[in-house]
Amino acid sequence: ELKVEQNPLFLSMQEGKNYTIYCNYSTTSDRLYWYRQDPGKSLESLFVLLSNGAVKQEGRLMASLDTKARLSTLHITAAVHDLSATYFCAVSRDSNYQLIWGAGTKLIIKP
Amino acid sequence: EAQVTQNPRYLITVTGKKLTVTCSQNMNHEYMSWYRQDPGLGLRQIYYSMNVEVTDKGDVPEGYKVSRKEKRNFPLILESPSPNQTSLYFCASSLMSLPLWEQYFGPGTRLTVT
Repeated sequence: ELKVEQNPLFLSMQEGKNYTIYCNYSTTSDRLYWYRQDPGKSLESLFVLLSNGAVKQEGRLMASLDTKARLSTLHITAAVHDLSATYFCAVSRDSNYQLIWGAGTKLIIKP
Repeated sequence: EAQVTQNPRYLITVTGKKLTVTCSQNMNHEYMSWYRQDPGLGLRQIYYSMNVEVTDKGDVPEGYKVSRKEKRNFPLILESPSPNQTSLYFCASSLMSLPLWEQYFGPGTRLTVT
């Protein structure tokens, strides 16, 4: 059974600091997604990672994938208040059109 | 504008009163899906559809029904809602083309069953 675990589930940090959110999954998978959700809003796609060693960056966010370790990380550089949101990772089962989601990491960045 | 729409956005109902939440997309996507979101549990898939008249169960299908008679619409039906179905519901759609397969989400429907 495919399971996805995110750590931490809650993170409060100061502006200007760096931090990393971790996403572990239990079995092999073809692709890994990162989504962002603002309070009371829908989900917005951030990154899709398709292969081992894949790295994607947008602004202060950088996502990477290690398929051998079954681990993805979302790194935040010099955090700003606007990045406060809940971040979800989700993993697709091999050759299957289903997504299994992590519980989400609620990130609060204090000015 | 490419979008996924859901109606209603908010609904309060009573136990046992049948209801339907509509979902429509204008992107000609083959794949559509329903999720529920509960605090601390992330999103859990209820049902999905890979094309017209093709639907399948997700992880938590009990108490729900769906139909896919047209490509653009994928309604979620609760025949006899119960309080444990109080949740935030999202509809999503995507093309079927791998390997990317990126889903686009509707705005959500907050359902309260009393």
